[in-house]
Amino acid sequence: DAGVIQSPRHEVTEMGQEVTLRCKPISGHNSLFWYRQTMMRGLELLIYFNNNVPIDDSGMPEDRFSAKMPNASFSTLKIQPSEPRDSAVYFCASSLDTTDTQYFGPGTRLTVL
Amino acid sequence: AQKVTQAQTEISVVEKEDVTLDCVYETRDTTYYLFWYKQPPSGELVFLIRRNSFDEQNEISGRYSWNFQKSTSSFNFTITASQVVDSAVYFCALILKGGSEKLVFGKGTKLTVNP
Repeated sequence: DAGVIQSPRHEVTEMGQEVTLRCKPISGHNSLFWYRQTMMRGLELLIYFNNNVPIDDSGMPEDRFSAKMPNASFSTLKIQPSEPRDSAVYFCASSLDTTDTQYFGPGTRLTVL
Repeated sequence: AQKVTQAQTEISVVEKEDVTLDCVYETRDTTYYLFWYKQPPSGELVFLIRRNSFDEQNEISGRYSWNFQKSTSSFNFTITASQVVDSAVYFCALILKGGSEKLVFGKGTKLTVNP
C-alpha cells in the first residue's frame, strides 16, 4: 500500500522565491496535517484539514504561508515569499479521522538561502 | 492544555542492553490517545503504537514493550536487547478525543545504541 507521498523531497531556493510543497495522503484518509520540524522548535502543527476543509490553521506562522486541499487526494503548502528562517523539514501526515493514527510522509527538506 | 514530557534528551547504551524511554503526560480529559513514533537518522516518522486511555494493558511487540499507567500519567517504552538499528529519536505524543484534536508531541529522546 502506498503511504503518504510528498514532493519534492529536497528543495533549495533563494530568499524571496515562492515555494510549493505537495502531499498526497493515503487513499481513504479523511484528515490531513502539515507539520514543520526544526531543531529549535521541534515538531509544530501548521494546519490540518478534515474532509478537505481547513479546521485549524492557528499554527501557520505568517501570512506568507498558505495551504489548500482542492480534493481528497492532494494538498499544497505554499510559502511566498520564502525567508531563510523557513528552512526546516516539512511533513505531511494523514489519518482516517482527526484523532486516529497519523501516518507521516517522508518529509520535504527545505533550505532557503 | 495538554502536555507531553520526555525528560531524557539523550540516552546511549551498548548493544543488547535493555533501555526504557520515559513519557509523562498531562491532561484533564479522561478520553485520549497516546502514541509513540520513531524517527531514524533517515528522517521519516514511523508509527509504533497507539493506546486508548481506557486500555491500561501493557503491550509487547517483539523486543518492544509499552507500560501505560494512568495513576502516574506515564506511558513508558522499553526496548529489550537493543540493537544498533534501534538508534533513533523517539517521540511520545498525546491527542484528546473530542478536544482540540491536535497531536501534541514531546521533544523526543535520542537513543544511540553502540555496537
